[in-house]
Amino acid sequence: DTGVSQNPRHKITKRGQNVTFRCDPISEHNRLYWYRQTLGQGPEFLTYFQNEAQLEKSRLLSDRFSAERPKGSFSTLEIQRTEQGDSAMYLCASRSGQNYGYTFGSGTRLTVV
Amino acid sequence: TQLLEQSPQFLSIQEGENLTVYCNSSSVFSSLQWYRQEPGEGPVLLVTVVTGGEVKKLKRLTFQFGDARKDSSLHITAAQPGDTGLYLCAGALTGRGSTLGRLYFGRGTQLTVWP
Repeated sequence: DTGVSQNPRHKITKRGQNVTFRCDPISEHNRLYWYRQTLGQGPEFLTYFQNEAQLEKSRLLSDRFSAERPKGSFSTLEIQRTEQGDSAMYLCASRSGQNYGYTFGSGTRLTVV
Repeated sequence: TQLLEQSPQFLSIQEGENLTVYCNSSSVFSSLQWYRQEPGEGPVLLVTVVTGGEVKKLKRLTFQFGDARKDSSLHITAAQPGDTGLYLCAGALTGRGSTLGRLYFGRGTQLTVWP
């Protein structure tokens, strides 16, 4: 068990560019979550997968955001036409069906300039 | 508006002091969790409480879930500099499938313990 892995750890991009983040959950965890956290705030829910099915999406997830989890393994979060307001820490977490607790990755820090 | 209100937002104390952090809501939660987060890292789960009135202890940390499952507290005894970090409470709302879906997080309490 190597924990939840997120790549890249840091991403700096110019406004208008597309970015993609990857999350590799703990292998036996079938539930995967994406959250966004800005300075001085707690994590805000973005979306949730059970295996490969995307079961819930926040209204925060505009049409510029898309997430996938092919084959119920790793997940990707893509942001198209980035805006400065997208600058944040993007956190991925996973958990098994029997466990209430999340295991978070270290996050991807996005800076849009 | 936040579903979970944490207080205080900031806490700066000397080593050896005791402290309590509060997490309150008007909503009922099926479970409530506490996490600790360090700069540049993801939150790390400390404890999960699921029963109203439940008290859990983790070394010098004591967690309590309110009888009505609307609030929780974290008490640290004899704080140490290693306790410094952002403490977050997070809850799962009651209802079908709620325990498997999203968690709602508070804004966090930034604790600094000085030697």
